[in-house]
Amino acid sequence: QSVLTQPPSASGTPGQRVSISCSGSSSNIGSNTVNWYQQLPGTAPKLLIYSNNQRPSGVPDRFSGSRSGTSASLAISGLQSEDEADYYCAAWDDSLNGHWVFGGGTKVTVL
Amino acid sequence: EVQLVQSGAEVKKPGESLKISCKGSGYSFTSYWIAWVRQMPGKGLEWMGIIYPGDSDTRYSPSFQGQVAISADKSISTAYLQWSSLKASDTAMYYCATSYSSPNNWFDPWGQGTLVTVSS
Repeated sequence: QSVLTQPPSASGTPGQRVSISCSGSSSNIGSNTVNWYQQLPGTAPKLLIYSNNQRPSGVPDRFSGSRSGTSASLAISGLQSEDEADYYCAAWDDSLNGHWVFGGGTKVTVL
Repeated sequence: EVQLVQSGAEVKKPGESLKISCKGSGYSFTSYWIAWVRQMPGKGLEWMGIIYPGDSDTRYSPSFQGQVAISADKSISTAYLQWSSLKASDTAMYYCATSYSSPNNWFDPWGQGTLVTVSS
């Protein structure tokens, strides 16, 4: 059972918009920023969004992130076949002397 | 370019010890924290702990405290994850990742992963 809650799956057709939610609590998302990681099949995770809504260099602008209260979300607009991957949210949790927590991951399928 | 290169896949028996490594290059090794993340087969990401090679300040996830040891040798820009007695349940892919300046910054980049298989 992950501390951050994500839906296990999401899907869309090419060109559609897909949104993934990430629900936490006051000790993690409610007081710290959220990062999102993309894991393509058989590869290491890669930073996709940091500090709630910032994109690292090289990440297409069709990926966007937001945070409100104790929840966050990742949106993929103009879905492409290469976006088929697992997506994880993560946040620092201030409890127990501080530690990172991840969501359980959302598998995005491009139909 | 900041890069992390991890040691190769390992096959071990229950009860054996193991130390895997993560070598950093392209940056000041002592200025970045290095985290370890476990991914069990078909499962999600779990944060294990983090070390600051500059002064060896180490933090562990409550779930992994006492189960593994994280260390670093700044003279060779390498961090380590170590087990003293492996269990079958330690079978997983292990990733290292850097976090600049603070343990609660984002992880970027990640190493390629080290697959550890524990089987009798």
